[in-house]
Amino acid sequence: DTAVSQTPKYLVTQMGNDKSIKCEQNLGHDTMYWYKQDSKKFLKIMFSYNNKELIINETVPNRFSPKSPDKAHLNLHINSLELGDSAVYFCASSQVRTYEQYFGPGTRLTVT
Amino acid sequence: GQQVMQIPQYQHVQEGEDFTTYCNSSTTLSNIQWYKQRPGGHPVFLIQLVKSGEVKKQKRLTFQFGEAKKNSSLHITATQTTDVGTYFCAGPGSARQLTFGSGTQLTVLP
Repeated sequence: DTAVSQTPKYLVTQMGNDKSIKCEQNLGHDTMYWYKQDSKKFLKIMFSYNNKELIINETVPNRFSPKSPDKAHLNLHINSLELGDSAVYFCASSQVRTYEQYFGPGTRLTVT
Repeated sequence: GQQVMQIPQYQHVQEGEDFTTYCNSSTTLSNIQWYKQRPGGHPVFLIQLVKSGEVKKQKRLTFQFGEAKKNSSLHITATQTTDVGTYFCAGPGSARQLTFGSGTQLTVLP
């Protein structure tokens, strides 16, 4: 069974478009995250979310918005895509008490 | 804000040689975690260290947490081609989030 899944795996789109990436975890974790990994492998937290609190990294543009329909899902919606948004986006989950992150397989976003 | 730096950024070794990556935090950490990301893959949790001066081993991997809980190291003995990947340290920052180090990309030449 896949612990943390993401769709799609690859996403190619044009500047200005709006797109979404879906994430689901079946680990029963209480916190989910979105990370952005650039071409140099730097891994930066974008959001963390549990059923009580959304924490947004201050450097994330407001074109990015997480949406959580329930505890097991945290989707990422991106408006007005820009070239600089091209990266690999990872969803992850954890129990907030331990911080040990379980990552999804990643979504490679290419904006042309 | 908290910063976590890793050195080196890149390391090429011959198979069988040892490898070490170092992690330094600008603040004292309650714990530190290590992750490995294979090429084309996603980060996978390796281990967590909690106590000052703690040393843990996993087969050929040795993890150490500094006495001041601001630095850590990962040492691999006799590297193999399966060790290829990027190794990240990570520590809890503010707002209950992890801050990841910049990573060390390891290449093992056969």
